[in-house]
Amino acid sequence: QQPVQSPQAVILREGEDAVINCSSSKALYSVHWYRQKHGEAPVFLMILLKGGEQKGHEKISASFNEKKQQSSLYLTASQLSYSGTYFCGTEFRSNDYKLSFGAGTTVTVRA
Amino acid sequence: DTAVSQTPKYLVTQMGNDKSIKCEQNLGHDTMYWYKQDSKKFLKIMFSYNNKELIINETVPNRFSPKSPDKAHLNLHINSLELGDSAVYFCASSQRGTTETQYFGPGTRLLVL
Repeated sequence: QQPVQSPQAVILREGEDAVINCSSSKALYSVHWYRQKHGEAPVFLMILLKGGEQKGHEKISASFNEKKQQSSLYLTASQLSYSGTYFCGTEFRSNDYKLSFGAGTTVTVRA
Repeated sequence: DTAVSQTPKYLVTQMGNDKSIKCEQNLGHDTMYWYKQDSKKFLKIMFSYNNKELIINETVPNRFSPKSPDKAHLNLHINSLELGDSAVYFCASSQRGTTETQYFGPGTRLLVL
């Protein structure tokens, strides 16, 4: 079952912050975040595992709330390089061999 | 050194033709995947293989046949191509299963005319 991402798109000025949400109707084992720039392949950002583990990548961090079955990605002090489409991928049990990706959130950072 | 490579990068073909896409990873990973990304950027899993064995076939038409000759390779053959097959196809690999980082290939842009 595909997770739901919000918002669909966000436009930021350099230095601004943004939050992208990813929620599931089923209990999650892990949430994965990827960023894809136009015309390129998705690139891994981080994995969050059941248990509230938080990870970070540069000034991008994320949280995982198992009870609410959702994860949030935080873009702090955004840079031009943060532009792209962010996807969350969800896994319902350990090593499911299948990630279900959300529809993506397009982030545009302007100077 | 490219971690996950795909050939060809672009494929333009007529409806009804058969085509293949090749994927190779040099990361020593056990698990490989094929994804389809449509024009709305929706990224959908098609197949997962672990140690050359098919684990997931996500209700893909049987015109699509993956083949894994060894752990490092996962090819995708498509018969009788249809307009709706136009998309970007990504190969990916991970160490073992999905609770690991997936490394994506550059994608194959398929256009069916």
